[in-house]
Amino acid sequence: AQSVTQLDSHVSVSEGTPVLLRCNYSSSYSPSLFWYVQHPNKGLQLLLKYTSAATLVKGINGFEAEFKKSETSFHLTKPSAHMSDAAEYFCVVRLYSGGGADGLTFGKGTHLIIQP
Amino acid sequence: SQTIHQWPATLVQPVGSPLSLECTVEGTSNPNLYWYRQAAGRGLQLLFYSVGIGQISSEVPQNLSASRPQDRQFILSSKKLLLSDSGFYLCAWSGAGELFFGEGSRLTVL
Repeated sequence: AQSVTQLDSHVSVSEGTPVLLRCNYSSSYSPSLFWYVQHPNKGLQLLLKYTSAATLVKGINGFEAEFKKSETSFHLTKPSAHMSDAAEYFCVVRLYSGGGADGLTFGKGTHLIIQP
Repeated sequence: SQTIHQWPATLVQPVGSPLSLECTVEGTSNPNLYWYRQAAGRGLQLLFYSVGIGQISSEVPQNLSASRPQDRQFILSSKKLLLSDSGFYLCAWSGAGELFFGEGSRLTVL
């Protein structure tokens, strides 16, 4: 079985300070991992993905995430938050072995709030 | 390039009325297609997925149904809406191991 846990339902940071959104996964197989962002009343957009290549993955809008197998984590970071980063963020895990719906499991989301 | 269209964007319907949400994909053939729902304060819930025309898999029992009459068309329906059907509905297709989402449809059932 696989699951994904986003450790914080809400994160609030000041503009210009670093962002850390935490994600832990459990999987019996080598996972693919994704971070998606959703702005209010919009669809989800892919920020970045890990597919067993480099463990440090760079995405769009200055975000990056590091795959740490020993910690079963895939935390999302950004050095300096911008007001436009305020959104909902989803961590997603997928089994290589596939399965229904491409074997995707979504976390419950983290709401990122940026204080001016 | 591939695009995904979803409509209507917003919908307010009375309890007991029917529902039809439509999703079409352009620029790809034989995509896997998905319907997700986001209820207030909850994450994404997979409702249906389809790997081909007429092939629908349901992930949860509910008041909704899905159909795929054409390769790139995916429809979400209900004969009689319930209050609990309110939410944000997202259509998606998968390619190269990623999901690509539509802009969503906000359904309010009164």
